[in-house]
Amino acid sequence: EPEVTQTPSHQVTQMGQEVILRCVPISNHLYFYWYRQILGQKVEFLVSFYNNEISEKSEIFDDQFSVERPDGSNFTLKIRSTKLEDSAMYFCASSEQVSSYGYTFGSGTRLTVV
Amino acid sequence: GNSVTQMEGPVTLSEEAFLTINCTYTATGYPSLFWYVQYPGEGLQLLLKATKADDKGSNKGFEATYRKETTSFHLEKGSVQVSDSAVYFCALSEETSYDKVIFGPGTSLSVIP
Repeated sequence: EPEVTQTPSHQVTQMGQEVILRCVPISNHLYFYWYRQILGQKVEFLVSFYNNEISEKSEIFDDQFSVERPDGSNFTLKIRSTKLEDSAMYFCASSEQVSSYGYTFGSGTRLTVV
Repeated sequence: GNSVTQMEGPVTLSEEAFLTINCTYTATGYPSLFWYVQYPGEGLQLLLKATKADDKGSNKGFEATYRKETTSFHLEKGSVQVSDSAVYFCALSEETSYDKVIFGPGTSLSVIP
């Protein structure tokens, strides 16, 4: 069964450093997403991406965050200057059609900011 | 705004017990409804979905029926197994915002032999 692949599975970074979380969505999917889950809390929407541009973003997704699909297969989330409160599990997801069809999620990247 | 409420966990059941996890939602229009499952150490997997009122989603013995009149989408399984131990998330996709899924807080289920 096709999978969404995320790397790395765990990243530790110092506060203030830039991190890039990487995702390879399912190849025929057109809609891409990032969500995060702070330990023990809700899964929160960050951003959606379609046709090479952001289609929607949450208030969490401020100027410190950016997304890119640099080469037609990877989909990346960059955090420019990490803060302690960015520590969370970050999930990438993709969908063949709009979200009402349901996503396929990756297994996540656990980001720890120290 | 739109939201999803789930019964609080953790829920602990014996193997072969009947499972119900309650979920209610607040949304305008006709959202699509989902149950996602997160097994220990893994990502989120779509378990089942329903896109319109009275639809029943089902998968792996789990079922949920989209009840517009009670704004509910309760998850049920007739006989749980140890392998069903996981966190279950009820979620909705807004009719007017095709790009976003709103998740409930999750309900942790532990099934003991």
